[in-house]
Amino acid sequence: DIQMTQSPSSLSASVGDRVTIACRAGQSITNYLHWYQQKPGKAPKLLIYTASNLQGGVPSRFSGSGYGTDFSLTISSLQLEDFATYYCQQSFSPPYTFGQGTKLEIK
Amino acid sequence: QVQVQQWGAGLLKPSETLSLTCAVYGGSFSNYYWNWIRQSPGKGLEWIGEINHSGSTNYKTSLRSRATISVDTSKSQFSLKLTSVTAADTAVYYCARFHYYYGIDVWGQGTTVTVAS
Repeated sequence: DIQMTQSPSSLSASVGDRVTIACRAGQSITNYLHWYQQKPGKAPKLLIYTASNLQGGVPSRFSGSGYGTDFSLTISSLQLEDFATYYCQQSFSPPYTFGQGTKLEIK
Repeated sequence: QVQVQQWGAGLLKPSETLSLTCAVYGGSFSNYYWNWIRQSPGKGLEWIGEINHSGSTNYKTSLRSRATISVDTSKSQFSLKLTSVTAADTAVYYCARFHYYYGIDVWGQGTTVTVAS
């Protein structure tokens, strides 16, 4: 199974900040990496697919990059509604493992 | 607009079998894989397994012996059975639409399953 490791596990930031969340795969997954946002009590929401493609309806302040084993999700200017937990997931080979999550909190 | 709606028993006793079903409304059933994902209280997302329209499945390694995912293409439904549940299987279970390139873009509303004696 491919292990996915996110860092940091939690992050405190302020509205307007630029933040970056990292995701590392245990082996190369080329660009088969997706990012999700989850708010308490809700199902996750797809933000970015295949490393850098913005899902329809997602604000352009979200962006993704990376290839191989190292990936990142960047929020260019945090808004109040962005405080949530973020997960990466690989779809290179099953089982399609998730990272452990990064909780983004208000400073 | 594709929607998935799920249902199943929410309270189980240890050793019983968890059974959940998900119905797909709209869109193509055959061009995707259909996933089950769970989230234990206060924990992260855990991928359980998937199935496509022809019945091809993949499972999380540690659940392979207890999990069975099946499909009924005539009803655009797929189901999860998990045998011999314990308290560790207590979680919110989600069904979802998955494509290896596009990720998981459609999620069910989630079903809370509690295992308690």
